[in-house]
Amino acid sequence: TQLLEQSPQFLSIQEGENLTVYCNSSSVFSSLQWYRQEPGEGPVLLVTVVTGGEVKKLKRLTFQFGDARKDSSLHITAAQTGDTGLYLCAGAGGGTSYGKLTFGQGTILTVHP
Amino acid sequence: NAGVTQTPKFRVLKTGQSMTLLCAQDMNHEYMYWYRQDPGMGLRLIHYSVGEGTTAKGEVPDGYNVSRLKKQNFLLGLESAAPSQTSVYFCATTKIYRENYEQYFGPGTRLTVT
Repeated sequence: TQLLEQSPQFLSIQEGENLTVYCNSSSVFSSLQWYRQEPGEGPVLLVTVVTGGEVKKLKRLTFQFGDARKDSSLHITAAQTGDTGLYLCAGAGGGTSYGKLTFGQGTILTVHP
Repeated sequence: NAGVTQTPKFRVLKTGQSMTLLCAQDMNHEYMYWYRQDPGMGLRLIHYSVGEGTTAKGEVPDGYNVSRLKKQNFLLGLESAAPSQTSVYFCATTKIYRENYEQYFGPGTRLTVT
C-alpha cells in the first residue's frame, strides 16, 4: 500500500507570511498532484509534477517534486486570506495502481488578516 | 458544460435504510471514482471504474456497491446504511495522458446516518 504523509496537518498564519507544506512517502510515484479544497466544495487541481527535481510556479505558489519522486512540497509566498483552505497532495503510481491516486491526509491552512 | 455533477447534495438516512448516489459527467472521461472524505483522513477510494460496464474495489469498498451502465454515469449504492458511513462523498473523473493525471471532482454529497 502506498502512503502519503502530509505535514503539518494544521497551519495558522498571518497574511503576508510564507509557508511550506510537505508531502512524503517511502514509495516512488510516477507523478504527484496538489489540490485545493474550499469548504462545501470538491478539490480543485492546482498542479501536476512529473519529473524528479521538477519545480513549477503558479503565481505565489511554488511546487517541487523530489529527485527520487518520493516527496513533494508546496511553498506559498506572502500568503493571502484567499489562500485559506484544505491542501491535498496525491500520488499516481504505475503498474497495478494505474488510474488510481493515493491522497495525503491534507493540510488545513488558515490565513488571518 | 457542467463537468461533474452529483445528486443529492444532502441526505439523512436511518440505520438500515438504502440509497443510491448518482454521479454524472459530460467530459467523456473513461475513469470514474467514488471517494469518501472524513476529518483527518483525506480522501479514501471506495470503488472506481475504468470504463463503461467495469467496476473495481478501492481502499474501503465494504458496505457499498457501484454500477457503470453508461459511460457518463457512475452510481454508488448503500444497501443497509450504518452510522460509520456518515461522511462526505465525492465523485471524480480522471483525464490521463502519459504520466499526467487530472482529476475533476463533483461538489460532494453530505450523508448522515442516524
